[in-house]
Amino acid sequence: DSGVTQTPKHLITATGQRVTLRCSPRSGDLSVYWYQQSLDQGLQFLIQYYNGEERAKGNILERFSAQQFPDLHSELNLSSLELGDSALYFCASSQPQSPVQGPTNEKLFFGSGTQLSVL
Amino acid sequence: AQKITQTQPGMFVQEKEAVTLDCTYDTSDQSYGLFWYKQPSSGEMIFLIYQGSYDEQNATEGRYSLNFQKARKSANLVISASQLGDSAMYFCAMRVRSYNTDKLIFGTGTRLQVFP
Repeated sequence: DSGVTQTPKHLITATGQRVTLRCSPRSGDLSVYWYQQSLDQGLQFLIQYYNGEERAKGNILERFSAQQFPDLHSELNLSSLELGDSALYFCASSQPQSPVQGPTNEKLFFGSGTQLSVL
Repeated sequence: AQKITQTQPGMFVQEKEAVTLDCTYDTSDQSYGLFWYKQPSSGEMIFLIYQGSYDEQNATEGRYSLNFQKARKSANLVISASQLGDSAMYFCAMRVRSYNTDKLIFGTGTRLQVFP
């Protein structure tokens, strides 16, 4: 058990709908990352939050948004869903690093993912 | 551009044998971290091993070792004494950190199958 909790584990919805994926990081971890894993795109970094603030953005569509709340849990909102959004969505967390640049052996701990199926 | 390349889509190994999974990376940064993760059929991502760009010794974690060749920009994972439970997808990843970014870049993965 990584300590990162994602809900729900499975989500089936229809095109055009909106869903919210939830992530609770490990206790003490300030950073939350969202990844999308699909067969054709592999593992793609979407977005990172650090202590409530957006820190880095990857290949995240404009239809997608995320936030991190004061209790450090995070939500990924996916709207106007398309068939191609079907994927496994991972949340990961890690502890804060000082300094914030350069190599680090702090690994990212991943949740078990939310499998999204858009029909 | 930063990139991780895993050229082996699939590998087979017999139980108790050793296997090497290849990984090459591309970065212009001097400081970076390299990771291997395992993804079994259940889907979760499990951390295996880490190598820092300044580490002079190759990393080892139990049956896992990382063959780090900095000049060749390769970070191959060696699994010794393979077990049936090692059958899974294996991802090589590079952590990129700067003032405005902090993320893991993943390769496409290698599916390892261990047979009796």
